[in-house]
Amino acid sequence: AQSVTQLDSHVSVSEGTPVLLRCNYSSSYSPSLFWYVQHPNKGLQLLLKYTSAATLVKGINGFEAEFKKSETSFHLTKPSAHMSDAAEYFCVVSDQLSGTYKYIFGTGTRLKVLA
Amino acid sequence: ETGVTQSPTHLIKTRGQQVTLRCSSQSGHNTVSWYQQALGQGPQFIFQYYREEENGRGNFPPRFSGLQFPNYSSELNVNALELDDSALYLCASSLEGGGARGYTFGSGTRLTVV
Repeated sequence: AQSVTQLDSHVSVSEGTPVLLRCNYSSSYSPSLFWYVQHPNKGLQLLLKYTSAATLVKGINGFEAEFKKSETSFHLTKPSAHMSDAAEYFCVVSDQLSGTYKYIFGTGTRLKVLA
Repeated sequence: ETGVTQSPTHLIKTRGQQVTLRCSSQSGHNTVSWYQQALGQGPQFIFQYYREEENGRGNFPPRFSGLQFPNYSSELNVNALELDDSALYLCASSLEGGGARGYTFGSGTRLTVV
């Protein structure tokens, strides 16, 4: 079965410093992996996705993630945090269930950006 | 291109009642999934509809049911509401079953059961 583990429930960074949100995955086959962001009282917005093409994936708002098969990791990074990045971030793996694709979400990482 | 829209945005129901939540898919999307997000947790897969047929279900009891209409809009129905059903319900749409294509999510319906 597919699963993802987000290693930090809360991360605090100062504005202008790098962001690292960690995600490990477990998969019996080549996975499709995603990062979504959820701002307070909002739905989920896709940041980026990995689908077995380039291992370094660039997303919106300056975010990127690197797929490392040897480490079963898909960590999300951003060189310089902005106040508007404060939100909940979810690492997601797409699981195939009898022909249906469903998302399996991690438990989320709440990012706090300090002025 | 319009995104995914859900209605209502907030709802308060009494335990034992029934509720219907609605979702309009993004234009051209024929696959709709529903997720339940309890407070402080990640979303959990309820079920998926593809071309008006349910084609996948998560670990939710039969009192959670759904419909997809010919225009690919969708409903989530929950009967005999329980306090633990209080959550944010998210609808997501995609092309052709989703998968690597990814899903577009709506902003959700916040259901409170009292």
